[in-house]
Amino acid sequence: DQQVKQNSPSLSVQEGRISILNCDYTNSMFDYFLWYKKYPAEGPTFLISISSIKDKNEDGRFTVFLNKSAKHLSLHIVPSQPGDSAVYFCAASELTASKLTFGTGTRLQVTL
Amino acid sequence: GAVVSQHPSRVICKSGTSVKIECRSLDFQATTMFWYRQFPKKSLMLMATSNEGSKATYEQGVEKDKFLINHASLTLSTLTVTSAHPEDSSFYICSASPGSEPSYGYTFGSGTRLTVV
Repeated sequence: DQQVKQNSPSLSVQEGRISILNCDYTNSMFDYFLWYKKYPAEGPTFLISISSIKDKNEDGRFTVFLNKSAKHLSLHIVPSQPGDSAVYFCAASELTASKLTFGTGTRLQVTL
Repeated sequence: GAVVSQHPSRVICKSGTSVKIECRSLDFQATTMFWYRQFPKKSLMLMATSNEGSKATYEQGVEKDKFLINHASLTLSTLTVTSAHPEDSSFYICSASPGSEPSYGYTFGSGTRLTVV
């Protein structure tokens, strides 16, 4: 039972354009969401998070949007850079719980 | 920022032997540590959660006698894969947090590629 889903396994975007990565969840108890970036053979690196009391959080080029009614969140990267090419995982948790549930990942390729 | 060191980065072992993977928080005390496993092109699957000084909590389907987790100090957790088989070959990743809630931030180690031959 995949409670966190990233339906696009891959995405290709031109340098300078916007990258939009999507994530859907089914567990209504989730109230804290995170995005991680991962390179092959490395551990994930934290990018940005959002709690369910917000619908948007911004940090530099990264913005996360949360639509609680649709159980959907998205990560916007603008402008996209070649160094952004990696696999992006969304993760969800209950704020008062400890464990993260990860999505299946989306491989982003930023082309020149 | 918070740093988590995981060692070794890759290991090859023979079937039937045991392998120990270490996860250390270098600049903070980790109340909670997590062990994940990632299959090729798959998500990170949580194996177990460990709190310092207490027994690990294993996720459903994870054999606790096969994957031994010890969190003996606030800076060190170990995962021992006992009597390894080829199907245990995978990428294992630890993460550590100074608190028990995600808002404290989770820092991941660099992972260990285990190959059982």
